[in-house]
Amino acid sequence: GAGVSQSPRYKVTKRGQDVALRCDPISGHVSLYWYRQALGQGPEFLTYFNYEAQQDKSGLPNDRFSAERPEGSISTLTIQRTEQRDSAMYRCASSTTPGGYQETQYFGPGTRLLVL
Amino acid sequence: EDQVTQSPEALRLQEGESSSLNCSYTVSGLRGLFWYRQDPGKGPEFLFTLYSAGEEKEKERLKATLTKKESFLHITAPKPEDSATYLCAGSMEYGNKLVFGAGTILRVKS
Repeated sequence: GAGVSQSPRYKVTKRGQDVALRCDPISGHVSLYWYRQALGQGPEFLTYFNYEAQQDKSGLPNDRFSAERPEGSISTLTIQRTEQRDSAMYRCASSTTPGGYQETQYFGPGTRLLVL
Repeated sequence: EDQVTQSPEALRLQEGESSSLNCSYTVSGLRGLFWYRQDPGKGPEFLFTLYSAGEEKEKERLKATLTKKESFLHITAPKPEDSATYLCAGSMEYGNKLVFGAGTILRVKS
């Protein structure tokens, strides 16, 4: 079956512009996670949703970052007034059930963001 | 602070030369220890989950083990196609987020 998909795969933007990154989880997965991965590092948690409810946003770096999942399926991570330090790979993951700390998270291919 | 540390950072093996990767963790109330494989340009691919000390899981040439402080990924008679970055991550008692290590880059030469 189809895995987690993300779009765009690559995004180049100028400093100060807003960007929106999209994640389409595996069908039927109720939990969705956003991570950021720097080169040579493991993914770093940003936020996660159960259905449409944002459960934890403790990893969002500052208030320029926000995420939503209005219908409990597709999610959008928005970065306002981008800065060069925001350049990274942004990864989305999904898992089958809510509240399951032992549930396997399946990752998408990521969106590579470059802020000039 | 919750932390996951992997060693070595990089490992070069000859085909058939068995070895082990280490993952040590200081994650409060660890509930699960996950191993992922990541190929260049791709997202992490799930390999194993370990839940309790003493547990072992195997898949082909890979075997993961867990103690109270660390996990090992044993690679037996590796092949060039095993070359990848191997990531481990811990899930915590009070949340769903995974805390990842920086990974071990494995290169297997024929």
